[in-house]
Amino acid sequence: EIVLTQSPGTLSLSPGERATLSCRASQSVRNNYLSWYQQKPGQAPRLLIYGASIRATGIPDRFTGSGSGTDFTLTISRLEPEDFAVYYCQQYGSSPYTFGQGTKLEIK
Amino acid sequence: QVQLVQSGAEVKKPGASVKVSCKASGYTFTGYDINWVRQATGQGLEWMGLINPGTGNTGYAQKFQGRFTMTTDTSISTAYMELSSLRSEDTAVYYCSRGDSWGQGTLVTVSS
Repeated sequence: EIVLTQSPGTLSLSPGERATLSCRASQSVRNNYLSWYQQKPGQAPRLLIYGASIRATGIPDRFTGSGSGTDFTLTISRLEPEDFAVYYCQQYGSSPYTFGQGTKLEIK
Repeated sequence: QVQLVQSGAEVKKPGASVKVSCKASGYTFTGYDINWVRQATGQGLEWMGLINPGTGNTGYAQKFQGRFTMTTDTSISTAYMELSSLRSEDTAVYYCSRGDSWGQGTLVTVSS
């Protein structure tokens, strides 16, 4: 089973700042099948990025996914108030399709 | 537009079973895997398994094998998950997901 470790656990930033979230896999993710999700309280997760770097439909271009192999990054270039939420990475290259434990992005 | 609509909240006693439905619309149901993911209150996302409605092929997280079953009814574009031998630790919101589209979640509470 691939274990995904996200860091930091909590990130405190202000609107307008840049956010960098990390997701590290315990072994290489096949075909870079790595997704990023955003989840707000009381809501289902929302797909942001798939295939490590492909933005899902309707996702603003301030969200950028990068990385390959075992190291992946989600960058939010200029934080908007609605971006403060919990972010999860998930690998879907090998079953079980594990999630990271999440990074909480909070307003500083 | 793509929509996944799940059945309503359930309250079950320990040892019982629960079956949750997920009705798909707005796309060809047999063309996409359906994943089941759960989330306990205040906790992260946990992948449980997936089913391909076109082939019926399934993949299960080992943790749930033996008491977790996924099925589909392609005639009504609906996926089902059934979890048996429920315990308090199974209290969670259960989601079906196509990846880019998620159901609204179904709260399953296990309590005596």
